[in-house]
Amino acid sequence: AQSVTQLGSHVSVSEGALVLLRCNYSSSVPPYLFWYVQYPNQGLQLLLKYTTGATLVKGINGFEAEFKKSETSFHLTKPSAHMSDAAEYFCAVSDKGSARQLTFGSGTQLTVLP
Amino acid sequence: SQTIHQWPATLVQPVGSPLSLECTVEGTSNPNLYWYRQAAGRGLQLLFYSVGIGQISSEVPQNLSASRPQDRQFILSSKKLLLSDSGFYLCAWSSSGWSSGNTIYFGEGSWLTVV
Repeated sequence: AQSVTQLGSHVSVSEGALVLLRCNYSSSVPPYLFWYVQYPNQGLQLLLKYTTGATLVKGINGFEAEFKKSETSFHLTKPSAHMSDAAEYFCAVSDKGSARQLTFGSGTQLTVLP
Repeated sequence: SQTIHQWPATLVQPVGSPLSLECTVEGTSNPNLYWYRQAAGRGLQLLFYSVGIGQISSEVPQNLSASRPQDRQFILSSKKLLLSDSGFYLCAWSSSGWSSGNTIYFGEGSWLTVV
């Protein structure tokens, strides 16, 4: 069975500082990996995904994530935080070919301090 | 382009009353459809998914049910709501093929408060 662990349910950074949100996964097969963002009272929006190929994936809003198979990690980063980045972020893993689709982590709430 | 709509956006219902949340997808055919629940301060829990009309898989035993009467319509129902059914419900879809990398696209959500 696949699973996702997001270290840190709450992360605070200053505006302009580096954002690092951690995600580790467990999967018996090479996975597809995703990061979603959720703004208050809204649905989830896809930030980026890794399927195959280049392990450094660039997404929207300046975010990127790197798939590290040896560390079973898919951490999300952004060089410089903006106030508008304050939201909840979810990491998810999917087994290829599964209609059940994604298993989500428990989420990380990002606060950006002025 | 594809769009997903779900309604109502907010709902306050008494304990024991019925529930119907509806979701439709436009711009695609034969999508996989999903209902997730997000309880306050918690992650997402997959409730139901469907790969076709009349085909429903339930992930969690509960007093909720789902139906797919048309290709792009997905309905979440309950005959008698419990307090524990309160939460944020999200409808979602994905392409039926695997080439998209299993990306799931979410609706805007429906807030349900059972009182």
